[in-house]
Amino acid sequence: DIQVTQSPSSLSASVGDRVTITCQASQDIATYLNWYQQKPGKAPRLLIYDASILQTGVPSRFSGSGSGTDFTLTISSLQPEDFAIYYCQQHDNLPSSFGQGTKVDFK
Amino acid sequence: EVQLLESGGGLVQPGGSLRLSCVASGFPLRIFGMSWVRQAPGKGMEWVSTIDDTTTARHYADSVRGRFTISRDNSKNAVYLQLNSLRADDTALYYCARGFSTFDNWGQGTLVIVSS
Repeated sequence: DIQVTQSPSSLSASVGDRVTITCQASQDIATYLNWYQQKPGKAPRLLIYDASILQTGVPSRFSGSGSGTDFTLTISSLQPEDFAIYYCQQHDNLPSSFGQGTKVDFK
Repeated sequence: EVQLLESGGGLVQPGGSLRLSCVASGFPLRIFGMSWVRQAPGKGMEWVSTIDDTTTARHYADSVRGRFTISRDNSKNAVYLQLNSLRADDTALYYCARGFSTFDNWGQGTLVIVSS
């Protein structure tokens, strides 16, 4: 099974900061990597699929990059509504697997 | 508007069973693969099961294989997850999600608590 490891597990940032979250897969997954955002008490929301494709309706301050085993989610200018937990998910092979999450909170 | 509404969760004793339902609206369910993903309290996401649009392929996480069964009834716009032989570590919020491997819409979840 493919493992995905996110880092950091948490970070503190301020409105306007550039935020970067990384995800590393245990083997080559090409670009079969998705990013989700989850706010407290809410269902996850798909932000980016296949490593770099922005889901419809997601603000352009979110971007994704990477291929193979190393991936990055970037928020170019953090907004108040972006404080949340972010998960990566590999879908190259079943079982699909999620990273452990990165909590972005207010500095 | 795409909506997924789960139901069927509750408190059950170890070894017991539940049937979760997910009713879809706002899109033609018959052309989409559908999945269940769970989240234990305070924990991350765990993919549980997926069924393709034709019901030909059903996939399960190792942790639930042989105990859980996914099914669908396109005529009722519904997807189901039968949970048998429940264990304490099955306690979680169970989400229904649209998609075979990329989950672009999620329900609000139904809570399953396994406890004596």
